[in-house]
Amino acid sequence: ILNVEQSPQSLHVQEGDSTNFTCSFPSSNFYALHWYRWETAKSPEALFVMTLNGDEKKKGRISATLNTKEGYSYLYIKGSQPEDSATYLCAPLGSNTGKLIFGQGTTLQVKP
Amino acid sequence: DSGVTQTPKHLITATGQRVTLRCSPRSGDLSVYWYQQSLDQGLQFLIQYYNGEERAKGNILERFSAQQFPDLHSELNLSSLELGDSALYFCASSMTGGYNQPQHFGDGTRLSIL
Repeated sequence: ILNVEQSPQSLHVQEGDSTNFTCSFPSSNFYALHWYRWETAKSPEALFVMTLNGDEKKKGRISATLNTKEGYSYLYIKGSQPEDSATYLCAPLGSNTGKLIFGQGTTLQVKP
Repeated sequence: DSGVTQTPKHLITATGQRVTLRCSPRSGDLSVYWYQQSLDQGLQFLIQYYNGEERAKGNILERFSAQQFPDLHSELNLSSLELGDSALYFCASSMTGGYNQPQHFGDGTRLSIL
């Protein structure tokens, strides 16, 4: 799977704001969609793995949805906190392997 | 702490040299992945191993090679190093290497070529 697009590229919000990002990918040969959070000076951390059209996953204030027919996934953060500041990466898989093709990411800055 | 151990954390060497990066996966994980993050590039998949066998390959240069040993640790060998090989190299692991499993990343090895 090529042409993974994430938008926006960067986002600056105030503490308490809710926000969302988009990951777009070709809808053919879809196996799964991974979301990772990557904080500065740390390593990427898995948030969600989504496989089915209409999937919704939630982890605390962060949730994600998946539309495999139209090729997009949304990541939502409710009531952003400064510790949510990170780059959020999506990676669709087009095969039954772990070959993740990452997008360029959305970098979120939450101001206190 | 992801449980994935990478050594060394930093490596400084010169062009034309060869280096070996080492990765120990999380306990119980059979699959290992290598990724490269250069300054002007995102996180690029290099190669995946599962239980000692190559499972998937990305745009890994011919000067690079990897292997996974019987004890499941993996090594990434980079030879004839060029300035452009300077990057952060991550290793990740997952249980069986399937598409539906999250990958757990190590802290990375930062390679600097002088």
